[in-house]
Amino acid sequence: KAGVTQTPRYLIKTRGQQVTLSCSPISGHRSVSWYQQTPGQGLQFLFEYFSETQRNKGNFPGRFSGRQFSNSRSEMNVSTLELGDSALYLCASSLAGSRWGMHSPLHFGNGTRLTVT
Amino acid sequence: GQQLNQSPQSMFIQEGEDVSMNCTSSSIFNTWLWYKQDPGEGPVLLIALYKAGELTSNGRLTAQFGITRKDSFLNISASIPSDVGIYFCAGQLKKSSGDKLTFGTGTRLAVRP
Repeated sequence: KAGVTQTPRYLIKTRGQQVTLSCSPISGHRSVSWYQQTPGQGLQFLFEYFSETQRNKGNFPGRFSGRQFSNSRSEMNVSTLELGDSALYLCASSLAGSRWGMHSPLHFGNGTRLTVT
Repeated sequence: GQQLNQSPQSMFIQEGEDVSMNCTSSSIFNTWLWYKQDPGEGPVLLIALYKAGELTSNGRLTAQFGITRKDSFLNISASIPSDVGIYFCAGQLKKSSGDKLTFGTGTRLAVRP
C-alpha cells in the first residue's frame, strides 16, 4: 500500500508570495492533518481535515489555510509568505472516523521543505 | 506552541547498548505514540499506546504508557547503527475530537565515536 505522498519535496519562494502544498493520503484514510516542523518550535499542529471539513485548527495565523477534496486529498496554502514560514511541512493521514475510541495512529509523508528568501 | 518535555535531548550510543528515553506532560493524554525521524524524511510510527499502564513491544523497542497518563517511556535494547536518528513522543487527548497530536522536543541518537 502506498504511503502518504507530498508534493513538491522542495520549494523556494520569496517574501510576499503564496504557496500551495499537496498531500495524498494512504488509500482509505479519510483524515488528513498538517504539521509544521522547525528547529526552534519542533513539530506544531496546523489543522486537520475529515470528510472535506476542517475538524481541528492549531494556533497559526489566517495566512495558513487548507482544504480537503472528496477523494481525501488535501492542499495547504500559505499566503503573504514571511521568512519565518521556512520549515518542513508534514502531512499525515489516518483512518480516524467519527466513532469514539477508534485506534488509528497518524502516518506521515516525507514533507515539503519550504524555503522563503 | 506546546511541546512535551522529552529527555534526554541527545545521547551517544555504542552498538549493543540499551537506550532509554522518556516524555512527560503537564496534561493528561489517552494515547501516546513514539515516532522516529531520519534526515530528509517524515516521522515513522514505532509504537502506539492506548491504555494507561500498557507495555508494548515492537522487536527491540519497548514502550510504556504511564499510569498517570502524563508520561511515557521508550527503551531500545541492543542498539544497532540504524537506530541513529531523532525520536519523538506524541500525545493525543481524545480521538473523537480529531487527530491533533502534541509532540515532544525530540531525542537525538548518535553513534559514539
